[in-house]
Amino acid sequence: DTAVSQTPKYLVTQMGNDKSIKCEQNLGHDTMYWYKQDSKKFLKIMFSYNNKELIINETVPNRFSPKSPDKAHLNLHINSLELGDSAVYFCASSQDRAGGRELFFGEGSRLTVL
Amino acid sequence: AQTVTQSQPEMSVQEAETVTLSCTYDTSESDYYLFWYKQPPSRQMILVIRQEAYKQQNATENRFSVNFQKAAKSFSLKISDSQLGDAAMYFCAYSPTGNQFYFGTGTSLTVIP
Repeated sequence: DTAVSQTPKYLVTQMGNDKSIKCEQNLGHDTMYWYKQDSKKFLKIMFSYNNKELIINETVPNRFSPKSPDKAHLNLHINSLELGDSAVYFCASSQDRAGGRELFFGEGSRLTVL
Repeated sequence: AQTVTQSQPEMSVQEAETVTLSCTYDTSESDYYLFWYKQPPSRQMILVIRQEAYKQQNATENRFSVNFQKAAKSFSLKISDSQLGDAAMYFCAYSPTGNQFYFGTGTSLTVIP
């Protein structure tokens, strides 16, 4: 049973198109994230939601819009795709508990913009 | 600004030998978590080991152990008896609060048979 699942795993699309990536976690966590990993493997936070509220919004173009319908889901919509948007996008979730803290990742969605 | 620095973009180790990956971080917080994540070619990010800053004892997980030097803001990962399956990108991460995780630039580890 996958803890953090994201779909699709692969996306190939043309410049200017709009695309969405969906993410769901079944861990009961309150916080969900979107990270972008570029071709050099740099992993950068884009957004973070806690109980459906946006709490981290890094400097990301307005073309990127996250949406959290409930605390188990965090989707990412990208408008007017550009070549530089090609990357692997990771969804993740976490819960801060007395026993510890950990970030759980999905398998990543590789986006290729042609 | 809170930053995590991994100064070794690439490392290699002979199978069965020991290798140490370096990580330093910058923070003004006194309580936080530190992590090492592994990313094999499959792309999945896997937690290797975790350390709470207020615990003085270094964390260990089987062949993986850390050398946590709080005053020096250093958090290195030691892999003993290296195996072919250890080949991956390794990311050091720092978390000052439950909602923030910051990653280093990664170290690519090659294991030589």
